[in-house]
Amino acid sequence: GQNIDQPTEMTATEGAIVQINCTYQTSGFNGLFWYQQHAGEAPTFLSYNVLDGLEEKGRFSSFLSRSKGYSYLLLKELQMKDSASYLCAAYIKAAGNKLTFGGGTRVLVKP
Amino acid sequence: DTEVTQTPKHLVMGMTNKKSLKCEQHMGHRAMYWYKQKAKKPPELMFVYSYEKLSINESVPSRFSPECPNSSLLNLHLHALQPEDSALYLCASSPRLAGGNEQFFGPGTRLTVL
Repeated sequence: GQNIDQPTEMTATEGAIVQINCTYQTSGFNGLFWYQQHAGEAPTFLSYNVLDGLEEKGRFSSFLSRSKGYSYLLLKELQMKDSASYLCAAYIKAAGNKLTFGGGTRVLVKP
Repeated sequence: DTEVTQTPKHLVMGMTNKKSLKCEQHMGHRAMYWYKQKAKKPPELMFVYSYEKLSINESVPSRFSPECPNSSLLNLHLHALQPEDSALYLCASSPRLAGGNEQFFGPGTRLTVL
């Protein structure tokens, strides 16, 4: 089966850094997506990691270690608007090329 | 045009009603998806269409019936739903099914079944 775990909730202060971890146990893994979802809105794409290593995109960075079944999303210089749910999703080619989502991490940014 | 549109935004229906959700994209994407999302839960995949053919049905009850009339449109026909089917229904599209392409999500239809 497919198992993707991430913390349920995290709280951080404006201007700080937060790291959201995601561990996965899947067969046929081909890559890891991160999406941001504000309450009542659609998920929006943040990053996609296929190879091991860190990918940086402005204030957001994403890391993948395929051998450890581990990824993280790093949010720097937190802003109030970053309060949202962050979803990691494994791309499973063997399962018909579909995304399997983790439970999501709700991040609350406080002033 | 880089967006996925969905209508209606909100829908309230009784258990005996028949209604349809609509999704449209003009990005030339050939893979389209329906997801169901309950409050504080991640999206759950329901159906996947690839080149207008049903590619994945995640054992969804037959009271949900998808349809892909052309490469830009995706419908979800609803009949005899249950109150537990109340959720946010998200449509998404991607350039194609294979290759780990980014999925673009629509704003969703919030469905309430009375």
